[in-house]
Amino acid sequence: QSALTQPASVSGSPGQSITISCTGTSSDVGGYHFVSWYQQHPGKAPKLIIYEVTNRPSGVANRFSGSKSGNTASLTISGLQAEDEADYFCSSYTTSSTLVFGGGTKLTVL
Amino acid sequence: QVQLVESGGGLVKPGGSLRLSCAASGFMFSDYYMSWIRQAPGKGLEWVSYISSSGSTVSYADSVKGRFTISRDNAENSLFLQMNSLGAEDTAVYYCATDNMGTTPAYWGQGTLVTVSS
Repeated sequence: QSALTQPASVSGSPGQSITISCTGTSSDVGGYHFVSWYQQHPGKAPKLIIYEVTNRPSGVANRFSGSKSGNTASLTISGLQAEDEADYFCSSYTTSSTLVFGGGTKLTVL
Repeated sequence: QVQLVESGGGLVKPGGSLRLSCAASGFMFSDYYMSWIRQAPGKGLEWVSYISSSGSTVSYADSVKGRFTISRDNAENSLFLQMNSLGAEDTAVYYCATDNMGTTPAYWGQGTLVTVSS
């Protein structure tokens, strides 16, 4: 199972919006509603911020939103804040009854 | 609140074995699927395995199939990962996580570091 494709890095200024893409295939992202996004600060465990493509767990700011079109899922962060600077990973369930992660995207807040 | 504490990591020689544990508290452990996910130093996340709430269903990544075994003890609120035939490529921080039916690792522990080196 190949990793999902994410851009290595994105950047934005405080207050701006950014979008991170996550591209897979019809065997994973395109075939299931089970796409998740995780935020990871240096030295910390990943934190779930989006599940089932569009849903936010309790306590996650509504500045974070998710969507999907075909084989590509996207995470949008609006009103960027300094504390949003982190690594972001997507994941998807697959036809093999396994999970696959994206390679990760480093977000820099300028 | 949900708490997951991994243990059992350390330095092991190539070809060796290690058993990781994950102690769970703050939720009904026996109701949840559980997963192991690893992260090599400076690298991304790699899903390793999940196990159903009863333990009857398991799934493994191709990279560990035949070498790693996931198990659980619901009476002790514990998750395990038996790792055999370890190689340098298995060096990573190993996280346990609650999982929504094997589709969504949700709450994560802080991880335990496994280093495979001679």
